[in-house]
Amino acid sequence: GAVVSQHPSWVICKSGTSVKIECRSLDFQATTMFWYRQFPKQSLMLMATSNEGSKATYEQGVEKDKFLINHASLTLSTLTVTSAHPEDSSFYICSASIAGDSYEQYFGPGTRLTVT
Amino acid sequence: QKEVEQNSGPLSVPEGAIASLNCTYSDRVSQSFFWYRQYSGKSPELIMSIYSNGDKEDGRFTAQLNKASQYVSLLIRDSQPSDSATYLCAVNVAYDMRFGAGTRLTVKP
Repeated sequence: GAVVSQHPSWVICKSGTSVKIECRSLDFQATTMFWYRQFPKQSLMLMATSNEGSKATYEQGVEKDKFLINHASLTLSTLTVTSAHPEDSSFYICSASIAGDSYEQYFGPGTRLTVT
Repeated sequence: QKEVEQNSGPLSVPEGAIASLNCTYSDRVSQSFFWYRQYSGKSPELIMSIYSNGDKEDGRFTAQLNKASQYVSLLIRDSQPSDSATYLCAVNVAYDMRFGAGTRLTVKP
């Protein structure tokens, strides 16, 4: 149980274009989903927290107009990187928490984005 | 002071030995504590969670929590080369989870 998928697993795009990453909880309902970014040899950096049906809460320094998050259902959240630039190249990972008292986060496999 | 601190390592142990990973946290109202394992190029995988003081054992893994000292540790018994990875300590206050920078563990055959 507690499986989270991400699509695509990797993507290469040109500078200035937009990329959408999907995060799905496959066997549970996730009231809260999280988006992280990880640069090589660095730790996870939380970008934003999203709750189903409401606006995402962004961490300080994360541009909400550049990283658009939509949490349309209890099993799907999307992250759109708009007008991507080479410095946005990173490993993007989503996670989800099972509704209830547990605060455990289950991570998706990640999406490696390369902007050329 | 960082919210969650770990030694970055690398920590190197021989196969079959006990690996000891440590973590301290700064927020006294932290409620939940987790250890994640992350292989290079992969996303983190939850291996242990602990919520109350004391020890919690799961197979070769034992998590230890001391809230008074704001300290949580992970022991890996009979370490295997496949345990070589970065181990992330995570601390929660409600849904606000903060990660340490991770400790890189190498188990040498």
